[in-house]
Amino acid sequence: DGGITQSPKYLFRKEGQNVTLSCEQNLNHDAMYWYRQDPGQGLRLIYYSQIVNDFQKGDIAEGYSVSREKKESFPLTVTSAQKNPTAFYLCASSIEPQNQYFGAGTRLSVL
Amino acid sequence: GQSLEQPSEVTAVEGAIVQINCTYQTSGFYGLSWYQQHDGGAPTFLSYNGLDGLEETGRFSSFLSRSDSYGYLLLQELQMKDSASYFCAVKSGGYQKVTFGTGTKLQVIP
Repeated sequence: DGGITQSPKYLFRKEGQNVTLSCEQNLNHDAMYWYRQDPGQGLRLIYYSQIVNDFQKGDIAEGYSVSREKKESFPLTVTSAQKNPTAFYLCASSIEPQNQYFGAGTRLSVL
Repeated sequence: GQSLEQPSEVTAVEGAIVQINCTYQTSGFYGLSWYQQHDGGAPTFLSYNGLDGLEETGRFSSFLSRSDSYGYLLLQELQMKDSASYFCAVKSGGYQKVTFGTGTKLQVIP
């Protein structure tokens, strides 16, 4: 089955720690995205990538980093510089940006 | 920048019709998408309007008026499973980027 897989489903970060969220897709989509969703809020764009080895900052990129070494994979690192990382993180991919396919998400909490 | 406005909550009766509005302010507008998200779940794509008018997909329809910077999602024959949050999203400016609204939480009651 084609789709997007995010792991882990739940993640806990200690003070000063970097953590990496995984996102893998087998839909053969060129574009991939990372969003952050806070309770009762919409989706805010962190980073997006239109093609392998290229990515752009979204609206809230500070404290986050990404890489796009393979078409299938777009991992997100939440660095210690992100002071309020507790949120629901969603990864998506698309052929065209108006129709994005989302993974099941990762819930990140701070210990 | 971009801004989108949607009602925060809507309640409707099972079997009825409900309309969720979305107004936007943006430069370089291309089109308006709608997504559904159940609590704790992933958003799923419902529809996209790139041109003015009505797009129909089963029980769901979406409308766009570019001159009014306005669109809506219409849900007919409401079912309990339609209880979810609905987000509008504008495609504008940079080709591969969309901006999401804050969402409308729809509660369907018996």
